[in-house]
Amino acid sequence: DVKVTQSSRYLVKRTGEKVFLECVQDMDHENMFWYRQDPGLGLRLIYFSYDVKMKEKGDIPEGYSVSREKKERFSLILESASTNQTSMYLCASRESLAKNIQYFGAGTRLSVL
Amino acid sequence: RKEVEQDPGPFNVPEGATVAFNCTYSNSASQSFFWYRQDCRKEPKLLMSVYSSGNEDGRFTAQLNRASQYISLLIRDSKLSDSATYLCVVNFGTASKLTFGTGTRLQVTL
Repeated sequence: DVKVTQSSRYLVKRTGEKVFLECVQDMDHENMFWYRQDPGLGLRLIYFSYDVKMKEKGDIPEGYSVSREKKERFSLILESASTNQTSMYLCASRESLAKNIQYFGAGTRLSVL
Repeated sequence: RKEVEQDPGPFNVPEGATVAFNCTYSNSASQSFFWYRQDCRKEPKLLMSVYSSGNEDGRFTAQLNRASQYISLLIRDSKLSDSATYLCVVNFGTASKLTFGTGTRLQVTL
């Protein structure tokens, strides 16, 4: 079974803090994704990565950055957290472009106060 | 107009009922289609891919209508364990990014 692990289930941070969300997958997948999920808006893509050290902006990248130094790990960084970044964050991985099935981690519920 | 639209529900149905959800998409160049299931406070998981000719997996049947730009999910003989949110997912372009609908909530009751 594919396993996608997010480092925290719940996080509470203060406005202006730098926040790191970590995601690790154990299936040697090439592609990884970060989404946020909000009521009424569904899942929205923040950033994705096709391979190590590669990254592409998704639909809502503002206020976020990412890092992929190793194939198995994809980090989402909030440089200066704001209250409108309070959300559920979901990481996903995919074997390759050709095999377009994404496997999700359990999610991190981030509250920014 | 949203790229992928779903009726949010909730659909409340008794056990054993048949229920169907539709989902419309805006981009006629869409290439692939999926239904994901998301339980309360859990992550989305792939339920089934949707093929042009339609496909079935046990009690679940998925259909694609390219002319009218919608996909459907039919659940027969509903079980309590089918209660969840069903996400319609579409791949629009060459980057193979997936676009998710906001989901349709199903509640199966005794």
